[in-house]
Amino acid sequence: AQSVTQPDIHITVSEGASLELRCNYSYGATPYLFWYVQSPGQGLQLLLKYFSGDTLVQGIKGFEAEFKRSQSSFNLRKPSVHWSDAAEYFCAVGWVNDMRFGAGTRLTVKP
Amino acid sequence: EAGVAQSPRYKIIEKRQSVAFWCNPISGHATLYWYQQILGQGPKLLIQFQNNGVVDDSQLPKDRFSAERLKGVDSTLKIQPAKLEDSAVYLCASSPLTGELQETQYFGPGTRLLVL
Repeated sequence: AQSVTQPDIHITVSEGASLELRCNYSYGATPYLFWYVQSPGQGLQLLLKYFSGDTLVQGIKGFEAEFKRSQSSFNLRKPSVHWSDAAEYFCAVGWVNDMRFGAGTRLTVKP
Repeated sequence: EAGVAQSPRYKIIEKRQSVAFWCNPISGHATLYWYQQILGQGPKLLIQFQNNGVVDDSQLPKDRFSAERLKGVDSTLKIQPAKLEDSAVYLCASSPLTGELQETQYFGPGTRLLVL
C-alpha cells in the first residue's frame, strides 16, 4: 500500500542552525514527490517538487530536497533557518492524480 | 493575481446540524479540490473537480457530504448531518488545467470547523 511517513512530529532548531526534515515513502514505483509548508492560519504553499532528473531539487525560500531511491527518502534541508521558517511542513507523494500527504512536522525556531 | 478564497474562516456547530463551505478558485483554473485536514494529520483529498465534472470522489463520505461546482467556477461543500469526527480544517485548492500532479496546486486558507 502506498504511504508516506514523516518520522518527526516536532523539531526545534536555533535560528541560524541547519535543518533537515525527514520523509520516507512506500510506493510501487518512483512517485512524484513534494514538500509543502503551512504557516498558522494559512493554506499550504509548495516549496519544491521532484518528478525526474537531478535528484537534488532547489525550491523557494532557500530550501532544497534530495531524492534517494535506495532509501525511499526525500528529505528537506535548509542551511540556515530563519525565525520566519517556523511552520508545519508536509511531505507528499503521488502518481498521476493521486497525492497523499504525510502527517507533518512542526518546526519551532528558537531565537 | 488573487488567490483561492474560502468562507467562512471559522464555523462552530452542534452535531447533527448542517454546514456549508464556499470556495472561489484562482480565476481560470479548471481543477478544484476539497481536502479535509484533521488535527495532527496531513490533508486528505475529499473530491476533485475538473471544470464542473467530478474526477475523483472516492474518499468523500457520500452519506453526509456533498459538493458541487456549478458553472465550473466556485464550489460548495456541504455536510449534513455533521458528526463530532468532522471537526477539521477544510481546504480548497485549484490548479490550472488537468489536475495532474505536474501542475502546482494553490491552496486557500481553509475553513476551520468545530462540531460540538
